[in-house]
Amino acid sequence: GDQVEQSPSALSLHEGTDSALRCNFTTTMRSVQWFRQNSRGSLISLFYLASGTKENGRLKSAFDSKERRYSTLHIRDAQLEDSGTYFCAAEAGGGSGNKLIFGTGTLLSVKP
Amino acid sequence: EAAVTQSPRSKVAVTGGKVTLSCHQTNNHDYMYWYRQDTGHGLRLIHYSYVADSTEKGDIPDGYKASRPSQENFSLILELASLSQTAVYFCASKPGLGSYEQYFGPGTRLTVL
Repeated sequence: GDQVEQSPSALSLHEGTDSALRCNFTTTMRSVQWFRQNSRGSLISLFYLASGTKENGRLKSAFDSKERRYSTLHIRDAQLEDSGTYFCAAEAGGGSGNKLIFGTGTLLSVKP
Repeated sequence: EAAVTQSPRSKVAVTGGKVTLSCHQTNNHDYMYWYRQDTGHGLRLIHYSYVADSTEKGDIPDGYKASRPSQENFSLILELASLSQTAVYFCASKPGLGSYEQYFGPGTRLTVL
């Protein structure tokens, strides 16, 4: 079936550094959402993209508008509060009510 | 801001018992979803619904039933809970069939003993 491959699976950053997470899709996707899961287990929606890029503070996400087969999440000037598990989820369209297909997550640890 | 609530937030159940997880949305959304998350993994779709009184199977429906008695409410029912159903369950909603953001509830942590 359709798959979402998320990388890296774990990432350790020092405060103030930049990094990027990536999701590759095995097929063309209609849209992508990015989430951060906090220590309490809640899913915090960061971005929803049907195309192009969006930016919110130190976070920026892009969805490949041409092939629609990958998305990235850039973290600029990482802070301690950015720590958590990040998930991308893509919408394939068609069956299953346009379900979201989730990646396996990136465990981000930001250190002083 | 879209609002999806879930109850209970956590539950301990015994093997073979019946468990009902509830989801309520005040967004006037047509589509509602139930996902499960196992430790260290992403979410997977169990059931979904696009209209009241109708439910559809997702990717992992075995052992679960769903009920959509109204547009606002969507329940997940475990008739005979099993150890393998220990997980965190998330409900989500979105406006319609088109490409829209899905709004998630806070999750229900279910432990089956």
